[in-house]
Amino acid sequence: NAGVMQNPRHLVRRRGQEARLRCSPMKGHSHVYWYRQLPEEGLKFMVYLQKENIIDESGMPKERFSAEFPKEGPSILRIQQVVRGDSAAYFCASSPLLAGGKNIQYFGAGTRLSVL
Amino acid sequence: QKEVEQNSGPLSVPEGAIASLNCTYSDRVSQSFFWYRQYSGKSPELIMSIYSNGDKEDGRFTAQLNKASQYVSLLIRDSQPSDSATYLCAVTGNQFYFGTGTSLTVIP
Repeated sequence: NAGVMQNPRHLVRRRGQEARLRCSPMKGHSHVYWYRQLPEEGLKFMVYLQKENIIDESGMPKERFSAEFPKEGPSILRIQQVVRGDSAAYFCASSPLLAGGKNIQYFGAGTRLSVL
Repeated sequence: QKEVEQNSGPLSVPEGAIASLNCTYSDRVSQSFFWYRQYSGKSPELIMSIYSNGDKEDGRFTAQLNKASQYVSLLIRDSQPSDSATYLCAVTGNQFYFGTGTSLTVIP
């Protein structure tokens, strides 16, 4: 049973380019979460998705960032026109649908984005 | 006020001692509580979950929850150098919130 798969593990972009980060949830998980972590800082929630539906995007920057979780395929976090401040580790987590809010999240290994 | 607050540390304990990590949260409707461990450069790893008041033990780890005080803690008994990591408290209710983490160093 594969865990949460993220790719690429490392991504280097120049300022102004686009970054696409992919996340395949664990088998049987219908919920996906994206977090950003700057060096020496905590996890910052970005967005929570179910298949074909954004549930909560309160942590997403208003511009340049978007996320999707299509019916088929992985969830994608897309950053347009990257800037140096976007350099961070981006973690994806997935959880099953459980009653009572017991949605334990399991994390992928993360994508380290470096913007030159 | 942050939704989840933790002392950032660093917390240092000698090997074999008990490490005590604390977390408070602000949302009274919070239902589920989790502790994750994150080694430097790695992803968070779930170590404990707790849903009701009281203590929950798993090996050397004990999670304690007090909903009236909006407080959850993690005790690590017989601390080992391999326990040195950042410990993240997470709380879920209508949303899912992580604390900024407490850095723990176990000194051999």
